[in-house]
Amino acid sequence: EAGVAQSPRYKIIEKRQSVAFWCNPISGHATLYWYQQILGQGPKLLIQFQNNGVVDDSQLPKDRFSAERLKGVDSTLKIQPAKLEDSAVYLCASSQADVNYGYTFGSGTRLTVV
Amino acid sequence: GEDVEQSLFLSVREGDSSVINCTYTDSSSTYLYWYKQEPGAGLQLLTYIFSNMDMKQDQRLTVLLNKKDKHLSLRIADTQTGDSAIYFCAGPPLNQAGTALIFGKGTTLSVSS
Repeated sequence: EAGVAQSPRYKIIEKRQSVAFWCNPISGHATLYWYQQILGQGPKLLIQFQNNGVVDDSQLPKDRFSAERLKGVDSTLKIQPAKLEDSAVYLCASSQADVNYGYTFGSGTRLTVV
Repeated sequence: GEDVEQSLFLSVREGDSSVINCTYTDSSSTYLYWYKQEPGAGLQLLTYIFSNMDMKQDQRLTVLLNKKDKHLSLRIADTQTGDSAIYFCAGPPLNQAGTALIFGKGTTLSVSS
């Protein structure tokens, strides 16, 4: 089966610019997650979708971050305006409705804000 | 505060066993997981253990769970240079609405030949 696809692979932007990341989960996976991984740390959940509904966005900085999953498949994560501290790897993961057997991550998008 | 804690570094010689340790705070976790991250890659699920188990073995990997001490360990037998990576312990967090996992900061395993 194809894995979780993410693009772009790398992105460099100046602070105050906007950026968008795209994720295509594994076919049939109802649950999609966006994680932020700052260098030297473990991934931190930003938002979780179940189909096209938000399950948990309590750690999403909503003043600058937004995410959508309009048709319950692909998802986009946007940052506007970006800050230096947003430099990180943004990981997308997906799972079947029953997450007990873990979930599958994409390769991530490495964002550098200068 | 941090729900999952790990030691940050481990260095072993090729052929030795590696033991990576993790402590967690959520006593209601039903599953606990170990993920591996190689440079420039996403996280790869290595193995998981259900909370009613004390041990799970999968080829060179052995997971031990001590529920009383909330301690989880991953043992890699006959460690190879290809095992060099960052290993993350993960489990469901306290007080969050969804089923998302919370990750430790990761243990960097360095294997020398």
